[in-house]
Amino acid sequence: KAGVTQTPRYLIKTRGQQVTLSCSPISGHRSVSWYQQTPGQGLQFLFEYFSETQRNKGNFPGRFSGRQFSNSRSEMNVSTLELGDSALYLCASSLAPRTNYGYTFGSGTRLTVV
Amino acid sequence: DQQVKQNSPSLSVQEGRISILNCDYTNSMFDYFLWYKKYPAEGPTFLISISSIKDKNEDGRFTVFLNKSAKHLSLHIVPSQPGDSAVYFCAASGPNFGNEKLTFGTGTRLTIIP
Repeated sequence: KAGVTQTPRYLIKTRGQQVTLSCSPISGHRSVSWYQQTPGQGLQFLFEYFSETQRNKGNFPGRFSGRQFSNSRSEMNVSTLELGDSALYLCASSLAPRTNYGYTFGSGTRLTVV
Repeated sequence: DQQVKQNSPSLSVQEGRISILNCDYTNSMFDYFLWYKKYPAEGPTFLISISSIKDKNEDGRFTVFLNKSAKHLSLHIVPSQPGDSAVYFCAASGPNFGNEKLTFGTGTRLTIIP
């Protein structure tokens, strides 16, 4: 069974640009969450989608947005990139929120803003 | 405000001995806790979870203990093996819509010494 697939794996963008990251969950999983990992802050929750609806949102500025499609695939978008947005962006999927089986993470997209 | 804290950034343990990783939380609404392991360049891998109705959950070499009155949980790995060397994150979530997101600690780097 395929795992959580995140594309691209690596990305270099210039300050002020915008970027879109993609996440394909495990087949059958309808919940997708996004996290930002930085060395000093650990994993910070961005947002969670379930059945195309945003259920939870973290404390990030409006430049960070996301959506989920009917096939459960999800995208997140960051506009007007800042140097501080450089991080590993992780996507996780599960059958539903708060399942006893935990969330399965992808390998992440490493975003570098220069 | 760090609602989930892992106060030990690193821990070294001899192979074959017990590894104990600790985690404290401040939000009394949290009722579901998870541990993840992360290797470099990979996404976190789910290890074990526990709900607040239990005080212990065991899965092979991994046992999680929950002390609700102290708002403390710990992960015991017995016996420790070299492959256990990784960064370990604890995470917590609450029961209500909008509070279900996983809040992660900052991680503890475990090194198993052969």
